[in-house]
Amino acid sequence: GAVVSQHPSRVICKSGTSVKIECRSLDFQATTMFWYRQFPKKSLMLMATSNEGSKATYEQGVEKDKFLINHASLTLSTLTVTSAHPEDSSFYICSARQRGNSYEQYFGPGTRLTVT
Amino acid sequence: SQKIEQNSEALNIQEGKTATLTCNYTNYSPAYLQWYRQDPGRGPVFLLLIRENEKEKRKERLKVTFDTTLKQSLFHITASQPADSATYLCGGQNFVFGPGTRLSVLP
Repeated sequence: GAVVSQHPSRVICKSGTSVKIECRSLDFQATTMFWYRQFPKKSLMLMATSNEGSKATYEQGVEKDKFLINHASLTLSTLTVTSAHPEDSSFYICSARQRGNSYEQYFGPGTRLTVT
Repeated sequence: SQKIEQNSEALNIQEGKTATLTCNYTNYSPAYLQWYRQDPGRGPVFLLLIRENEKEKRKERLKVTFDTTLKQSLFHITASQPADSATYLCGGQNFVFGPGTRLSVLP
């Protein structure tokens, strides 16, 4: 149980284009989903928290107009990187929290974004 | 700012030995700490959670301790196996994570 999927697992896009990453909780309802960015040998960095049906809460320093987050249902959240630049290249990981569970997060497998 | 450090970037041990990984936190007092395993190119997988009022927690070959005086958590893998080779992340309340320790268990 508690499986989270991400799609795509890898994506290469050109500078200036936008790319959408999907995060799905497959066997549970996720009232809250989180989006992280991870650089090699660095900590996971929380980008934003999204609650189903409401606007995402972004961490300090994360541009909300650049990283658009939508959490339209209890099983799906999307992150859209708009007008991507090479410095946006990174490993993006989502996680989901089950309703009623305030501690555990279940992470997706991650999406490797490369912007050329 | 709230910070979690993991003392070793990499740790090599011999198969069968006990691996001990360290997590230290500064500038905050997390109510709990969590340990995750992360394989290359994959997302973290939850292993154990320990609350501040728990001294120790076990799960099969894994043991975690939480020392609020030292502001430290230790993560032990007993009878380590090559399949235990991975990066292990320590994470605390408020979504603070350490950079991970890459464990290599040598046959």
